[in-house]
Amino acid sequence: KQEVTQIPAALSVPEGENLVLNCSFTDSAIYNLQWFRQDPGKGLTSLLLIQSSQREQTSGRLNASLDKSSGRSTLYIAASQPGDSATYLCAVEIFYPAKLIFGTGTRLQVFP
Amino acid sequence: DAGVTQSPTHLIKTRGQHVTLRCSPISGHKSVSWYQQVLGQGPQFIFQYYEKEERGRGNFPDRFSARQFPNYSSELNVNALLLGDSALYLCAYRPDSSYEQYFGPGTRLTVT
Repeated sequence: KQEVTQIPAALSVPEGENLVLNCSFTDSAIYNLQWFRQDPGKGLTSLLLIQSSQREQTSGRLNASLDKSSGRSTLYIAASQPGDSATYLCAVEIFYPAKLIFGTGTRLQVFP
Repeated sequence: DAGVTQSPTHLIKTRGQHVTLRCSPISGHKSVSWYQQVLGQGPQFIFQYYEKEERGRGNFPDRFSARQFPNYSSELNVNALLLGDSALYLCAYRPDSSYEQYFGPGTRLTVT
């Protein structure tokens, strides 16, 4: 059974710091891995998707890496800003049924 | 995100009642999934539909049902509501041309 774990559960940092959020999964048979951002009480915003054949993806200040063999992904946030404060969720997509399995998220607070 | 809409935004129901939640894409994305997110947890997969056919079902009781209409909009129905059904219900669409899933803003259901 696929399980997804995110560490740390919460993080509070001053503005400007570079951050690493971790995601691990137990079964390497995944279709892809997606990182999402969720603001309180809101839906999910897709940040980055890494296909199983890829090693990393970048979008602006965000970089996500994927190591399927070790069951790990990291989300790197450069030069954090207060607007980055949110919960960050990683999810792996398995083949059948095609569904996302989520971690419990990392709650990030960036203070000025 | 990506134009997915959900209605209603918030809903308060009493135990034993029935509820219908709705989800629509802006364009004709054919694949829709439903997720339940309990406070403090990651979303849990409920259903996936593609071209109006059920393609996957998560570990939820038969009180939960769904359908997809010819215009690819979708409904999630929950019968005999329990207090534990209180959650944020999210739907997500995936375009045929993309691996990413795009989530709506969610419906907050409170069962009293």
